[in-house]
Amino acid sequence: GAVVSQHPSWVICKSGTSVKIECRSLDFQATTMFWYRQFPKQSLMLMATSNEGSKATYEQGVEKDKFLINHASLTLSTLTVTSAHPEDSSFYICSARPGRAVGELFFGEGSRLTVL
Amino acid sequence: GENVEQHPSTLSVQEGDSAVIKCTYSDSASNYFPWYKQELGKRPQLIIDIRSNVGEKKDQRIAVTLNKTAKHFSLHITETQPEDSAVYFCAARFSGGYNKLIFGAGTRLAVHP
Repeated sequence: GAVVSQHPSWVICKSGTSVKIECRSLDFQATTMFWYRQFPKQSLMLMATSNEGSKATYEQGVEKDKFLINHASLTLSTLTVTSAHPEDSSFYICSARPGRAVGELFFGEGSRLTVL
Repeated sequence: GENVEQHPSTLSVQEGDSAVIKCTYSDSASNYFPWYKQELGKRPQLIIDIRSNVGEKKDQRIAVTLNKTAKHFSLHITETQPEDSAVYFCAARFSGGYNKLIFGAGTRLAVHP
């Protein structure tokens, strides 16, 4: 199956700093990647759709200036949590599907962010 | 709006029993419905999926049924085993570009030996 890798797997930062999370498709090209947020014992909440070469599409209620998404290549999307605060602490997980496929989404390992 | 509802939130069964998880979706144009299994601290893994042109799909102990009219789909696990214990998420692919998946709230399944 297709492989999606995420880095870092966990990060601790101080309040007010910014954190960047990378999502890579290792063996396929992905014009679209999806960023989800998961609170403990809760569901996967779609934050935004990352589109290669264009602006990301954010879900209602997600602050685009807070969660900056850049999809600079067909294999890399990044999520930057700007001016992080404790309430931003969560499990962030990216996903992608190969090319123009419309089936299975493959998930990265997830990144656990803790803001002190 | 785009919504997937999932029930129950928790499910406890004895080993060997069957487990059923149900989901409903809001967009009648949705045409793809996957089920993911997530173990603690790990990424979600696809266990089975179904497209809107079929009503049922089976893979060994796992089956999924779809009722397009009612906008309802279900996961059936037979002969449950302790290793089936995990959180299960249903999802629906919504129309309107990018084929995004919206997930249900999840069901925490516990299979007791």
